[in-house]
Amino acid sequence: QVQLQESGPGLVEPSQTLSLSCIVSGASITSGPYYWTWIRQPAGKGLEWIGRIDASGNTNYNPSLKSRVTISLDTSKIQFSLNLTSVTAADTAVYFCARAGIVGSSHFDYWGQGTLVTVSS
Amino acid sequence: QSVLTQPPSASGTPGQRVTISCSGSSSNIISNIVNWYQQLPGSAPKLLIYRNDRRPSGVPDRFSGFKSGTSASLAIAGLHSEDEADYFCAAWDDSLNGVLFGGGTKLTVL
Repeated sequence: QVQLQESGPGLVEPSQTLSLSCIVSGASITSGPYYWTWIRQPAGKGLEWIGRIDASGNTNYNPSLKSRVTISLDTSKIQFSLNLTSVTAADTAVYFCARAGIVGSSHFDYWGQGTLVTVSS
Repeated sequence: QSVLTQPPSASGTPGQRVTISCSGSSSNIISNIVNWYQQLPGSAPKLLIYRNDRRPSGVPDRFSGFKSGTSASLAIAGLHSEDEADYFCAAWDDSLNGVLFGGGTKLTVL
């Protein structure tokens, strides 16, 4: 059974960097035609795709966030990570990690439970 | 324009059939697969329909998906109270070179 679990600080100060990790079990992040993805959801609002990384380390980012986002693989720890720089209150959201399955790039078959990140001083 | 448009709300009584629409454009729905997600309060989204009209194992056949042209729809037949949730469509967008989500539809079972 594939499982994903987000981890990271729940509070980040404005202008600082938001850093989250997603620990993956039951699947390899370095093989297979999957995309390891970050998605966020502000309270009471819809879902926003942040970006993705494949097993080879190739990335795609949402153009609206591209200048501030880095997604990377940590193969030794079987996890992938999200860094979002220069955060503001608008970045306050629940952050989900998910696996995009082989059927299509918007086919997210496994999700983490989500972690709330609040940007505030 | 890279947007997927859903009605913000929908409602029905137990046993009724409800349809939720997802309107897109030539850069997303026409040329790419549409997937649907159900999000219960306080939970992560769950894949409900994939590849436009297919159900993952464990999803009741009361749920069905359809795609035609620049639009897709999710139908729920025989509404149950536990179907009360937010529903999102999603598709890859060739212009964005990324995934688009619809704004979500909050389904209320009256």
